[in-house]
Amino acid sequence: AQSVTQLDSHVSVSEGTPVLLRCNYSSSYSPSLFWYVQHPNKGLQLLLKYTSAATLVKGINGFEAEFKKSETSFHLTKPSAHMSDAAEYFCVVSDYRNAGNMLTFGGGTRLMVKP
Amino acid sequence: GAGVSQTPSNKVTEKGKYVELRCDPISGHTALYWYRQSLGQGPEFLIYFQGTGAADDSGLPNDRFFAVRPEGSVSTLKIQRTERGDSAVYLCASSRDTYTEAFFGQGTRLTVV
Repeated sequence: AQSVTQLDSHVSVSEGTPVLLRCNYSSSYSPSLFWYVQHPNKGLQLLLKYTSAATLVKGINGFEAEFKKSETSFHLTKPSAHMSDAAEYFCVVSDYRNAGNMLTFGGGTRLMVKP
Repeated sequence: GAGVSQTPSNKVTEKGKYVELRCDPISGHTALYWYRQSLGQGPEFLIYFQGTGAADDSGLPNDRFFAVRPEGSVSTLKIQRTERGDSAVYLCASSRDTYTEAFFGQGTRLTVV
């Protein structure tokens, strides 16, 4: 079985300050990990993914995440928040032994960016 | 089309009625997934198709839910005897195969009154 815990349901930052969205996962096997973003009235968009290559993964829009197996974490960071980053973010785990791309989502973190 | 298309975008139905939700995947994508996102929660897996066959339907909550993909392209999620607890956003995703990125549609918001 696999699961994902997003440690903060809401995060508020000021524009231009760093962003940290925390995620811990549980998986019986070597997982693939993803971060998705969901803007209001838009579909889920893949930000980045980890699939057992480099542990530091760079994604779109300046986001990156680091896979730490010893801590079972996959936190999402960005050096400087932009107003357009305000959205819901989901940490996701996939176990390719199961239904291919079957994804297990965390509960989500709503990122708010203050001017 | 350019992306995954879901219709309708919104559906309001009365308790006890039958509804169908449609998903048009990206052309050429063999894998198709249905998820359900309740208010304030992350999406939850319902069912996955590889081609025409349902490879895994372990996420369907009960036998009121059924999905088909008869020609390996368009899929329809069918809900019988709808209940208020079925109200959610139903998301569809497709991928070229089971190991590549899944692209999501914008979802169908189902409200059961």
